[in-house]
Amino acid sequence: DAGVIQSPRHEVTEMGQEVTLRCKPISGHNSLFWYRQTMMRGLELLIYFNNNVPIDDSGMPEDRFSAKMPNASFSTLKIQPSEPRDSAVYFCASSQGDPGLAGGSTYEQYFGPGTRLTVT
Amino acid sequence: AQSVAQPEDQVNVAEGNPLTVKCTYSVSGNPYLFWYVQYPNRGLQFLLKYITGDNLVKGSYGFEAEFNKSQTSFHLKKPSALVSDSALYFCAVPKSQDNTDKLIFGTGTRLQVFP
Repeated sequence: DAGVIQSPRHEVTEMGQEVTLRCKPISGHNSLFWYRQTMMRGLELLIYFNNNVPIDDSGMPEDRFSAKMPNASFSTLKIQPSEPRDSAVYFCASSQGDPGLAGGSTYEQYFGPGTRLTVT
Repeated sequence: AQSVAQPEDQVNVAEGNPLTVKCTYSVSGNPYLFWYVQYPNRGLQFLLKYITGDNLVKGSYGFEAEFNKSQTSFHLKKPSALVSDSALYFCAVPKSQDNTDKLIFGTGTRLQVFP
């Protein structure tokens, strides 16, 4: 298996532009997570899906951020409009478990290589 | 909500020496605890987990961690450090008391192993 695939690996955009980050989870995994990592705030969970359904989006910073998972093999994180403070590395991760079920959190998460977003 | 704390931002150790990366937890019941590692320009990778049973858990790359209930700690250890172990290490715990829900990660500890 190729692991979790993210694209693009690097994105540089101007303030106000729309940014779309893409993720392909590992086949057979039923949970997908979007994280953001910055020096100031560390690693933050933005949203996670289970069986393509958003379960917890409490980490999404504001309405400019949206995430979708139209099928089991694809997810997007969109920022519209983007701002310089959105600059960060965005990671997608997938796992076999459902964190909401007993034992579900024991399954390890497999992280993608990340997308480094720079908003100027 | 449950949480973990990593009291050291950075740990420096000479190659060949033992290393310890500290993690303490705050939970209401019996916790599940995890360690992940992030190598430069990479995503996080799972190292090991404690669910139940033996307090000493062995993981990838020769790492192990000891669950200590009386000290509420889950320190990561390795008997002999390698330069290639230099990375960012995260401790994590499920958010909810019944060990469900998303993982809450610590702030991370940067391990630097010097030749």
